[in-house]
Amino acid sequence: SQTIHQWPATLVQPVGSPLSLECTVEGTSNPNLYWYRQAAGRGLQLLFYSVGIGQISSEVPQNLSASRPQDRQFILSSKKLLLSDSGFYLCAWSRGTGAYEQYFGPGTRLTVT
Amino acid sequence: AQTVTQSQPEMSVQEAETVTLSCTYDTSESDYYLFWYKQPPSRQMILVIRQEAYKQQNATENRFSVNFQKAAKSFSLKISDSQLGDAAMYFCAYYPNAGNNRKLIWGLGTSLAVNP
Repeated sequence: SQTIHQWPATLVQPVGSPLSLECTVEGTSNPNLYWYRQAAGRGLQLLFYSVGIGQISSEVPQNLSASRPQDRQFILSSKKLLLSDSGFYLCAWSRGTGAYEQYFGPGTRLTVT
Repeated sequence: AQTVTQSQPEMSVQEAETVTLSCTYDTSESDYYLFWYKQPPSRQMILVIRQEAYKQQNATENRFSVNFQKAAKSFSLKISDSQLGDAAMYFCAYYPNAGNNRKLIWGLGTSLAVNP
């Protein structure tokens, strides 16, 4: 069966510090991978998605970036965090073809102080 | 543009009763998928049910069922015999199975409270 991991679960970072959130998927190959952000009490905002290694599409211009160094690894980064980067970050995966539902990791709660 | 609308920001139901959450969507496509996701207080997003647009039969998963009205572009979720563990945010999502913009489009969610 497939599982998706995210870490860390919680992170408190000062403004201007760097960020690295990691997501890995087990039990499948060549998944589509997604990063979402969710503000408190709000819906999901798609940040990045990837259909393969090194292939990243950005949905929202901002100071965040994403990378996919391995088939089942997806990393969300920032060089300098802003207060507005606070939120709940969710990683998700889906199969590349066929069924299109996305499966989510447990999320990372980021607070920028 | 494709959009998903959940017109009920908050709903409540008595334990063991039935509740229906509404979702409408706007699209010109004929081939697509629809989903309901549940987000409990832990905030992990969980897939509840999915519906293929080409299937006329409404999807069911145990106590969860949908009423899919393609012409009306409506996709409601019915929860039968509500349990305390059903309390969560519920999100409706649409996925176009054609074109270049193949990404999930999300509604803003409905917060469901289950009263004992």
